[in-house]
Order: sequence, then C-alpha cells, then structure tokens
Amino acid sequence: IAGITQAPTSQILAAGRRMTLRCTQDMRHNAMYWYRQDLGLGLRLIHYSNTAGTTGKGEVPDGYSVSRANTDDFPLTLASAVPSQTSVYFCASSDTSSGGETQYFGPGTRLLVL
Amino acid sequence: GQNIDQPTEMTATEGAIVQINCTYQTSGFNGLFWYQQHAGEAPTFLSYNVLDGLEEKGRFSSFLSRSKGYSYLLLKELQMKDSASYLCAVLDSNYQLIWGAGTKLIIKP
Repeated sequence: IAGITQAPTSQILAAGRRMTLRCTQDMRHNAMYWYRQDLGLGLRLIHYSNTAGTTGKGEVPDGYSVSRANTDDFPLTLASAVPSQTSVYFCASSDTSSGGETQYFGPGTRLLVL
Repeated sequence: GQNIDQPTEMTATEGAIVQINCTYQTSGFNGLFWYQQHAGEAPTFLSYNVLDGLEEKGRFSSFLSRSKGYSYLLLKELQMKDSASYLCAVLDSNYQLIWGAGTKLIIKP
C-alpha cells in the first residue's frame, strides 16, 4: 500500500453501539489526525497524535477516543454512538518531525448513526 | 475566536480564470494551505504559503498577505475537472490546522 488507508469505507450503525474506525499509513509520518466533515462546516479536528505513544484532544473530542500504539496505526473509537456522530471521518498524517506541515488524507469513512 | 471565511459557492466558465478568496483571524499564524476536494473524495494538497507574495504552480497560483489576513487561490485556463470544493486552512500558533468551510466551484462549458 502507499499512503493512508481507512476502513470501513462506509457503515450504518445503531445508536448506542461501539465502533472503531481504522486508519493505517505507510509513509512513516510521525503525526496523525482524525477529522470529521459535516455539510457547511469546515473540517473539525477530533484527536491527534504527534508521535507514537502520545495523543491529544482537538476541537470536538467528546464521545471519541484514540490510541497510537505504533507509528502506522491510529484507530478512532466511538464508545456509544449517537446520531450527531453521523459524518464523514477523515484520517490524515504529516511528517512534522522533518518540518513538513502538509497533511495527507485517507479516503474517508462515511458513518450513519440511526 | 478563530475564523476562516471563504465564499460558499462560485461559478465560472471553462477556459476562464477564477479567484477564490480567503480571509482569516487566528491565534497565531504558521502558514496557509489550499486543498482541493472533489465530491465524495478526500482533500488533496494544492499549495502552502508562509511568506507574503504569490506562489505559482502550473495553472494554480496562491497569494498571501499576512498583514491583511488574506489569501487567494487563482485558477487559470479552467477545465471541467476543476469543478470541486477548495478548502483554505491556517496553521495556528499551536500548529493545528483551522479550516474554512470550503468554496464549491462550479465550471460551466
């Protein structure tokens, strides 16, 4: 693979269910991010990780958790999904350790919570 | 608060030139990005400006004025494939990207 992959591509989820969105990159970027994108709004940062083993909260972290056990993977978990979490979720990465601030995005996961 | 403003939608004709404006008010500034996003796809990187002036890259150019909190993306020789949303984003003092809502560009033949 080359770049960032996300799984699943799309999902319909019943409210109250637990869900993990997967994100894997093979570019050895140190930093990774999770965003949600809703119609009429800009991308909003949920959580980020500057390096393996560390994570931080973004603008809209409530209801979401992340982990960064290694450089390549950055899963996002919805512990108990609610309809307001219906959105398109994008994972991104950047090589900030070498001064690169450009973020590269995965293809996205479209989530519908009913 | 932090704010990025750009027009919601613009229409242009194939072969013409269009300028998409972006104004920003953020806590600190460490650069401004433009991304292109086709419907149903991920954003892709177009340009990065950190110093005042014009950066040209083929048919696309991006301009920055830090004193005015202003940038624009200029697209020349428009093609139908340029129909997409264009996202402006500013890297703030915490090195987090603050995103505008995007400008949907419609190209007509």
